[in-house]
Amino acid sequence: SQQGEEDPQALSIQEGENATMNCSYKTSINNLQWYRQNSGRGLVHLILIRSNEREKHSGRLRVTLDTSKKSSSLLITASRAADTASYFCATDSGGYQKVTFGTGTKLQVIP
Amino acid sequence: DTGVSQNPRHKITKRGQNVTFRCDPISEHNRLYWYRQTLGQGPEFLTYFQNEAQLEKSRLLSDRFSAERPKGSFSTLEIQRTEQGDSAMYLCASSVFPNTEAFFGQGTRLTVV
Repeated sequence: SQQGEEDPQALSIQEGENATMNCSYKTSINNLQWYRQNSGRGLVHLILIRSNEREKHSGRLRVTLDTSKKSSSLLITASRAADTASYFCATDSGGYQKVTFGTGTKLQVIP
Repeated sequence: DTGVSQNPRHKITKRGQNVTFRCDPISEHNRLYWYRQTLGQGPEFLTYFQNEAQLEKSRLLSDRFSAERPKGSFSTLEIQRTEQGDSAMYLCASSVFPNTEAFFGQGTRLTVV
């Protein structure tokens, strides 16, 4: 079962533009993470935001979290062709902190 | 290479056969996950371990699926009597609980013909 749902499902932008993708989830969480997956490869961790945090930055990445709306957004600034990938949000909840993933946003950055 | 290792990378099997996949997590990672991913979808949770203890198995999984993590090190995922619907990428990840940042292997792509 999927805990999160990303929006949009697919996004195509020009190199240099910003890309924003959103994640909505269903139950209370401990942490929310974002991962990137290049075609046919494993997932790579990008950033983690805790439930008591509202915003976090890492390089060109900016993540926001609104626990009242059960939603998060990932902003990639000044996109590059190498950012072309699928992006997934993942949440963990409960004492055992099981990590479950959303459905993903497929980002294409056109050079 | 000290990352998560999965073997084999690709497996083609005939319907009805049994298959077993192996995952070697990062050394000293006490948490290990198995996920299944089909084309265009996110990783679907299958099961996870804390050391050698299996904490949960997805209710979506039939009894044909079983996983073990003897001695809390490597893990195996077995699928018995494979069906065409089992064709997918099987992903393994490990982490150091309570840190939930997961490190993924490259996956095992299963094709059932």
